[in-house]
Order: sequence, then structure tokens, then C-alpha cells
Amino acid sequence: GQNIDQPTEMTATEGAIVQINCTYQTSGFNGLFWYQQHAGEAPTFLSYNVLDGLEEKGRFSSFLSRSKGYSYLLLKELQMKDSASYLCASGETGGFKTIFGAGTRLFVKA
Amino acid sequence: EAQVTQNPRYLITVTGKKLTVTCSQNMNHEYMSWYRQDPGLGLRQIYYSMNVEVTDKGDVPEGYKVSRKEKRNFPLILESPSPNQTSLYFCASSPTRTSSSYNEQFFGPGTRLTVL
Repeated sequence: GQNIDQPTEMTATEGAIVQINCTYQTSGFNGLFWYQQHAGEAPTFLSYNVLDGLEEKGRFSSFLSRSKGYSYLLLKELQMKDSASYLCASGETGGFKTIFGAGTRLFVKA
Repeated sequence: EAQVTQNPRYLITVTGKKLTVTCSQNMNHEYMSWYRQDPGLGLRQIYYSMNVEVTDKGDVPEGYKVSRKEKRNFPLILESPSPNQTSLYFCASSPTRTSSSYNEQFFGPGTRLTVL
């Protein structure tokens, strides 16, 4: 079956580091995406991993382990504007579908 | 400005009254897709299109139709809307989507549909 799991909500403090985990089970796999979505707005692309390892992009990093079906998004030096939902999504081979998780709502407090 | 546009942004309608939500992109993207977003369920893919006249079903296609007569436009049609189609709808596009490459998707602003 196809399934993507991520925590529903997380809370962290401004200036801290937070890790949002994502586990996936998909019939085919062609990479793992992370999107950010502020309330009432459209999702925007953050990162993509297709090979195992860590991809760093400024304050945001994303990690993938294909053998474990696991990814995480790491946000450093948290800012209030990072309060948003973070969507984990799997791209599938053999077709052009994208499977999204339900998203993790991150609350950043002062 | 490169963008994906959707119209209308908000719509309240009644059961059974046919409606169309338009989607247009000005980035010359081949791939376009429609999603619905519901609380607790995340984004679910309705239909997608790899290019003009090429469309395929996503995970929740029942009750929806699409067409791709032009590269820039990908309308979503609800022939006979029902209350369970009340949702937030997003259109997205990306340059190319093949099994051996990736491309980020660019999302439109969303259409909030209520079916009474």
C-alpha cells in the first residue's frame, strides 16, 4: 500500500532546532519532497532527496534513508515565520503520481 | 511574473449544479495536476496531465473530470457536485515529470469550494 506518516503537530522555541520526521511506504519510489505551507496559502517547495544522505540548504536540511523508508526535515535557528505546516511527499516511479502526508503543523513560540 | 492562477478563489454552490475551476500557468510547464486538501488527510491527487491531451487519474478521481486542450490550461470540472466535494483545491504545475527526473511543483493559490 501507499502510506506516508508524519507527526500531526510540533512546538518549538524561537532560535532552537527542530526535526520533523517522515516515514513512507510506497509502491514505487522516485524521491522525497518537503513543502512548506503557511495557513491559508499554497504549498511551496523546500527540498528534494533521491539518494541517501543529507541535503543542506541554508537553515533547512533534509535527510533520506531509502532502506528505512525514512526522511526528516531539520530546521535550525527557528524564526517565528517558520510557523507553518510541513508536508512530506513521495514521488513515484512508473507513473507521475505524488503522494503527500497529512502534514506537520509547527508552532514556533517566543 | 511566473505563476499558476486559479479561478474562482472561493465558490459556494448547491448539489448537482455543474461547475468548472480554471487553472492556468505561464511557465510553459508540461506537467499539471489537481489536488484537494482536507483536514487530517493532507493533499490528495485528483488528476494529472503530462502534456496536451494526456491525462490520468490520481488517487481520488471520482466525481471529477479534466481536460488539457492547451498547454497552459488545465480546468477541473465537477459535473454534479456533492457535499463531500467541499474542500480546498490546488492546481500545480512543473516543467517535466518523468520517472527518472524530478521537478518541484508550483502551486496555485487554491480554490475553496463549498457544496451545499
